[in-house]
Amino acid sequence: IAGITQAPTSQILAAGRRMTLRCTQDMRHNAMYWYRQDLGLGLRLIHYSNTAGTTGKGEVPDGYSVSRANTDDFPLTLASAVPSQTSVYFCASSRTVTGELFFGEGSRLTVL
Amino acid sequence: GQQLNQSPQSMFIQEGEDVSMNCTSSSIFNTWLWYKQDPGEGPVLLIALYKAGELTSNGRLTAQFGITRKDSFLNISASIPSDVGIYFCAGQLRKDTDKLIFGTGTRLQVFP
Repeated sequence: IAGITQAPTSQILAAGRRMTLRCTQDMRHNAMYWYRQDLGLGLRLIHYSNTAGTTGKGEVPDGYSVSRANTDDFPLTLASAVPSQTSVYFCASSRTVTGELFFGEGSRLTVL
Repeated sequence: GQQLNQSPQSMFIQEGEDVSMNCTSSSIFNTWLWYKQDPGEGPVLLIALYKAGELTSNGRLTAQFGITRKDSFLNISASIPSDVGIYFCAGQLRKDTDKLIFGTGTRLQVFP
């Protein structure tokens, strides 16, 4: 059982480049989320999707975009990466809009 | 935005000791959850609490939903080396509606 798969596991990126972090779940969960984790700041919500075809902004959405074309996939795009977007990014899903989230293993992104 | 104050920030304990950590807020929450993150992995749900005063156990872990609904506590009894990791509290202001707000985490180190 894969659960949530994120790719890439890690990436070093030059500032100004475009980057898409991929997230796929096989649990048929309705809701999906993207969080970033920074030392001392915990997990902060970037964007979310309550169901396929809908998305919403979280606490720190600036510089990021998402799409939810189907139930399984929820990619996160950085249109023009900046060093402050250096972080570990976690994708998560939940069956409904509850607090019981299932997380992927994370994507470590370094922007130079 | 909303903040959850989680303490302590870190703990260094000896194997066999009991551990207590807590999470407080100035806002009333309707759901409290506790997650654990092992090194290099995504957070995993430990315990979910849905009613004020609720006390729930999961093996050696016990969590409580504070009676004021503004706090929650997690206790680990007889710690073992595999308890090492970061523990996050998370709260949901309105069940099934609002997104989770995460605390900043408690880093636990267990020495043999």
